[in-house]
Amino acid sequence: GQSLEQPSEVTAVEGAIVQINCTYQTSGFYGLSWYQQHDGGAPTFLSYNGLDGLEETGRFSSFLSRSDSYGYLLLQELQMKDSASYFCALLGQGGKLIFGQGTELSVKP
Amino acid sequence: DTGVSQDPRHKITKRGQNVTFRCDPISEHNRLYWYRQTLGQGPEFLTYFQNEAQLEKSRLLSDRFSAERPKGSFSTLEIQRTEQGDSAMYLCASSIGTGVLANVLTFGAGSRLTVL
Repeated sequence: GQSLEQPSEVTAVEGAIVQINCTYQTSGFYGLSWYQQHDGGAPTFLSYNGLDGLEETGRFSSFLSRSDSYGYLLLQELQMKDSASYFCALLGQGGKLIFGQGTELSVKP
Repeated sequence: DTGVSQDPRHKITKRGQNVTFRCDPISEHNRLYWYRQTLGQGPEFLTYFQNEAQLEKSRLLSDRFSAERPKGSFSTLEIQRTEQGDSAMYLCASSIGTGVLANVLTFGAGSRLTVL
């Protein structure tokens, strides 16, 4: 089976940088994705890592290390609107996307 | 295209009743997923389709749950003999099921079920 672990909560101040970690166990997968979900909203796609290394998309970056079974999402220049839940997700070889339990990010002024 | 549509948005039912949810995916997406989400948790995989074929159903899912995608377009999720533990948000998502884009799911707004 597959499982993912993330911290349940992270707090940071506006303008700062925050890193949300994700460790996983799987027998095989295509890549690691990140999704954002605001309260009352639907999850929306942020980033994907198919290969080891860093992917950058504006203020957000995501990293994957397959040898360490580890990835992270880096958010820079935090804004109040970044307060949300963030989920890492694995695309397994069967083609289904499995989500972690999510990290609730609170951005303080 | 208006994205992924789900209906109804809210459903309140009594324990033991049957409920059905409908999902209309993005038209060019051949893969369709159903997830369940409760407060403070991540989306829990229920089942998914590639066109009209149901490829996998979660082993955690009881036989009271069934899903169909008869013509490879819209899908329905039926819960029979509902229980209070079925209360959750039921999310539908769709994607282009090949390559990197298979990771990019577009979610609907969800159907919230409350079982009294």
